[in-house]
Amino acid sequence: NAGVTQTPKFRVLKTGQSMTLLCAQDMNHEYMYWYRQDPGMGLRLIHYSVGEGTTAKGEVPDGYNVSRLKKQNFLLGLESAAPSQTSVYFCASSWRAGSYNEQFFGPGTRLTVL
Amino acid sequence: SQQGEEDPQALSIQEGENATMNCSYKTSINNLQWYRQNSGRGLVHLILIRSNEREKHSGRLRVTLDTSKKSSSLLITASRAADTASYFCATVASGGGADGLTFGKGTHLIIQP
Repeated sequence: NAGVTQTPKFRVLKTGQSMTLLCAQDMNHEYMYWYRQDPGMGLRLIHYSVGEGTTAKGEVPDGYNVSRLKKQNFLLGLESAAPSQTSVYFCASSWRAGSYNEQFFGPGTRLTVL
Repeated sequence: SQQGEEDPQALSIQEGENATMNCSYKTSINNLQWYRQNSGRGLVHLILIRSNEREKHSGRLRVTLDTSKKSSSLLITASRAADTASYFCATVASGGGADGLTFGKGTHLIIQP
């Protein structure tokens, strides 16, 4: 039981390049989330999904897109990376909505945009 | 916008002492959760307290919630070096839930051996 895994762990991009971050969970959770964490800050929600085939915007969605084609996977895409997107990205999942139980987090992806 | 604000931002204590950190939030909540983050790692859930609860215990952790003051505290008793980490409170707004947690900036706790 691996829990929540994220790939890649590190990535360096040039401004304007695109990439996709992959999140996978093996706990059969319905809800999945993408957060970003900047130095000295808490996590901020980018996008979330309440089930396969559904996605919704969070607090800071601009510049990102997501897809949830399979229940176990949640992809985060950057179409044209900008230096302001340099951050650590965390994926999380939960069985039910956050108001009822805990979220399980992946180890993070450290992204640098030059 | 960040709902929770932890205080202090940093705390350094000797091993064996108790550590207390506080969290204040702005709007009515459904529940409040505390997470720990070790350096360079993901967050780990510690404890969840619902809006109708006032105190909750889990091992060496004690969490209180005062909804009238919109504040919570996390007490770690008999601290250990392994408790060195950043601690975040996270809230779910009343009526919310699916749209994720709102985190504070965290308290960085250092346990001196």
